[in-house]
Parts: sequence; C-alpha cells; structure tokens
Amino acid sequence: KNEVEQSPQNLTAQEGEFITINCSYSVGISALHWLQQHPGGGIVSLFMLSSGKKKHGRLIATINIQEKHSSLHITASHPRDSAVYICAVLYNTDKLIFGTGTRLQVFP
Amino acid sequence: DGGITQSPKYLFRKEGQNVTLSCEQNLNHDAMYWYRQDPGQGLRLIYYSQIVNDFQKGDIAEGYSVSREKKESFPLTVTSAQKNPTAFYLCASSIARVVVGSPLHFGNGTRLTVT
Repeated sequence: KNEVEQSPQNLTAQEGEFITINCSYSVGISALHWLQQHPGGGIVSLFMLSSGKKKHGRLIATINIQEKHSSLHITASHPRDSAVYICAVLYNTDKLIFGTGTRLQVFP
Repeated sequence: DGGITQSPKYLFRKEGQNVTLSCEQNLNHDAMYWYRQDPGQGLRLIYYSQIVNDFQKGDIAEGYSVSREKKESFPLTVTSAQKNPTAFYLCASSIARVVVGSPLHFGNGTRLTVT
C-alpha cells in the first residue's frame, strides 16, 4: 500500500463544475503540498498547509490531520484547469512522499 | 523573473553513454533536488544538495551522479550504470532543505530517452 493515495486517478468534468480531488496518507506529517503539473511537464506549487484550509482564487485546499486526509477543490472549473494534480506529504520534517497524481480534464 | 531552467527539454542517447542534464536557478535558494518521474509512480528523489559543495543520495541514487560547484547550478549525470534511464527528470529548489514553510519550485523537466 502506498503511503500517499490519491483519488480519483482520472477525472473529467464540464466547464463550470465543482471539482474535488482527495489525498489520504498513512504517516504522521508536518505539512502537505498540492502541486499542479501542466501537460508540458512543469510543476507549480499550489498550496502548502499543515492545518485547516487555504484559498487562492478558485482553488481551496483543506486538511484534516486526525483523519490523515486532504482535499483540493476547484470551483467553477475551466478548461485551463486541465492538468495533473499531485499531493505530497512532508514527514520527519525533511522527507517528501509524492502521490501518483490525479489527471483532470475539463471540457468546454 | 526568478525561476529554474532545465535544459534540454528532450534528450536522446544511445545505451552505454553518459548524459548530463542541466539545472540552473536564480532564486538564490540553498537547497536543490533531482527527481525522477515514471508513468504511474510518484516522483522519486535521486539526489539533493543543501549547500554548495555538498550533496546527499536520495532514494534512487544508483547510476546517477551530481555536483554542486555553484549555488545556482546542480547538474545531474545519468551514467551507463543506470539500468532504466528513460524517464522524465525534474529539478527543484527551495530556500532550505524541505521543512515546514519552505515550498518547492520546479523546473519544466527534461525527458530523457535512451535506446
């Protein structure tokens, strides 16, 4: 069993839909990252959080440390949101473990 | 604008040849990392460096080598000893070794194909 599990693996949506991507982990962590990988391969850091909730534009990330679970929400999805979204957990203060990613396609 | 530059974007090599992937950053970050990405797997750490002239092996260092002679540069050499070198390679940096409050910045990657 992977230490970081993401669901779903693939997700398709119509423009305007509300999107939720989930990340569950099995180790004690000090922080969790949400990353976005564009079709060309480059990765952008979206959020880093250790508790509660963060919001940036149409993106919202939440984390429940007790349940070892985080969600990434996209409101009013748009085709430009199409990408692979990767969850990564930081444990032992210096070791990152990456999930395998969720591939999102948003159609107009 | 500050960022990380990886070159080339695509690289093709014959089996048995060593190849060096370039990574340059102008973010003034102390820590730099090399990751490998394979289909269906999460990113895996090859090597990291916390400071100039120092680097440490990651989880899958066998068949790879690095140097950190300048703060801005962290080249990765894929040697002929690496059994499965074909992969997507990502370079990253952070202000310091990954700790809470230190986000990662990534380059656009180099796709290496060895035949």
